[in-house]
Amino acid sequence: AQSVTQPDIHITVSEGASLELRCNYSYGATPYLFWYVQSPGQGLQLLLKYFSGDTLVQGIKGFEAEFKRSQSSFNLRKPSVHWSDAAEYFCAVGAQGNTPLVFGKGTRLSVIA
Amino acid sequence: KAGVTQTPRYLIKTRGQQVTLSCSPISGHRSVSWYQQTPGQGLQFLFEYFSETQRNKGNFPGRFSGRQFSNSRSEMNVSTLELGDSALYLCASSLEGLGDTQYFGPGTRLTVL
Repeated sequence: AQSVTQPDIHITVSEGASLELRCNYSYGATPYLFWYVQSPGQGLQLLLKYFSGDTLVQGIKGFEAEFKRSQSSFNLRKPSVHWSDAAEYFCAVGAQGNTPLVFGKGTRLSVIA
Repeated sequence: KAGVTQTPRYLIKTRGQQVTLSCSPISGHRSVSWYQQTPGQGLQFLFEYFSETQRNKGNFPGRFSGRQFSNSRSEMNVSTLELGDSALYLCASSLEGLGDTQYFGPGTRLTVL
């Protein structure tokens, strides 16, 4: 069965600092990997996705993520965080065919001045 | 292109009542999935509909049901509401199914008193 672990429940960074959110997955075959962001009271917005090909994927809002098969990881990065990035971030794993997304528990990002 | 819409955005019900939530997918998307989000359990898959048929189902009791109409709009019904059903219910649509990118709506916040 698929599973996703986001080891950090809450991260606080200063505005302008770099950010890395960790995601580890467990899946037997080649996974499809996603990062979503959720602002308070809102739904999930897709930041980026990995299906195949280049292991470094670019997303919206200046985010990128790198798929590392050897480490079963798909960490999200941003070089310079803005106050508006404060939100909850979810990593999810899916697969080809009729397999529902499995989400991590989320990482809450706080941004301080 | 308009995104996924969900109505209503907020609902308050009492135990034992039933509730119906509605989801309109992105135009051209034929698959609609439903997820429940709670602080304790995180995001959990309820079911997926495609061409008016339930194609996948998560591990939820039979009180949770749904349907899809010929225009791909979907409704979710919860009967005999329990306090534990209080959650954010998210609808997601995709072109052909769970193996495609899921685009989420803003959710319906259900509170059971």
